[in-house]
Amino acid sequence: KNQVEQSPQSLIILEGKNCTLQCNYTVSPFSNLRWYKQDTGRGPVSLTIMTFSENTKSNGRYTATLDADTKQSSLHITASQLSDSASYICVVSAGGGATNKLIFGTGTLLAVQP
Amino acid sequence: DGGITQSPKYLFRKEGQNVTLSCEQNLNHDAMYWYRQDPGQGLRLIYYSQIVNDFQKGDIAEGYSVSREKKESFPLTVTSAQKNPTAFYLCASSARTGSHEQFFGPGTRLTVL
Repeated sequence: KNQVEQSPQSLIILEGKNCTLQCNYTVSPFSNLRWYKQDTGRGPVSLTIMTFSENTKSNGRYTATLDADTKQSSLHITASQLSDSASYICVVSAGGGATNKLIFGTGTLLAVQP
Repeated sequence: DGGITQSPKYLFRKEGQNVTLSCEQNLNHDAMYWYRQDPGQGLRLIYYSQIVNDFQKGDIAEGYSVSREKKESFPLTVTSAQKNPTAFYLCASSARTGSHEQFFGPGTRLTVL
């Protein structure tokens, strides 16, 4: 069964600190992996996308890693800001071509406190 | 929100009533999707459409219906047959189906009274 699991479920950090969110997946065949940021009551916004051959990708203070062998990904947030408070969702794309299917994790709820 | 609009933002419905959620995109995308989001669960696909006048059931299509008469519009009707309709509904679009990135709208929160 295709699954995406994220940890921790929620996280509280102080402003300026770094944090790392985890995503483990059992999806086959693997196409790509995305991290989305979802502010409360809003739609998700894409942060990064990685294919099988990519190990790391950055977007400003966000850095995602992918280990295709262990089927793990992480999202590292550097020098957190209050605006980083949101849910971070890991999404793995399964299959290929027109039948590609997205498998969504349940998200990590991050709260950045002053 | 990437050229995708959803309306209304909040919607209240009495039990037994049908209600239609609007989704419009100006990105010239061929594919459009409807998802449902519940607390503690990942997004679940309700319906998707690859081209005009064509749509396919997703994982949880029961109690929902859609139409795709225009490329830019993909309305979702929540019917009285949907047993637990209170949720956050997200519309998305992508250039094509497959591995193309999906862009999400701001969502509609539906509450059944």
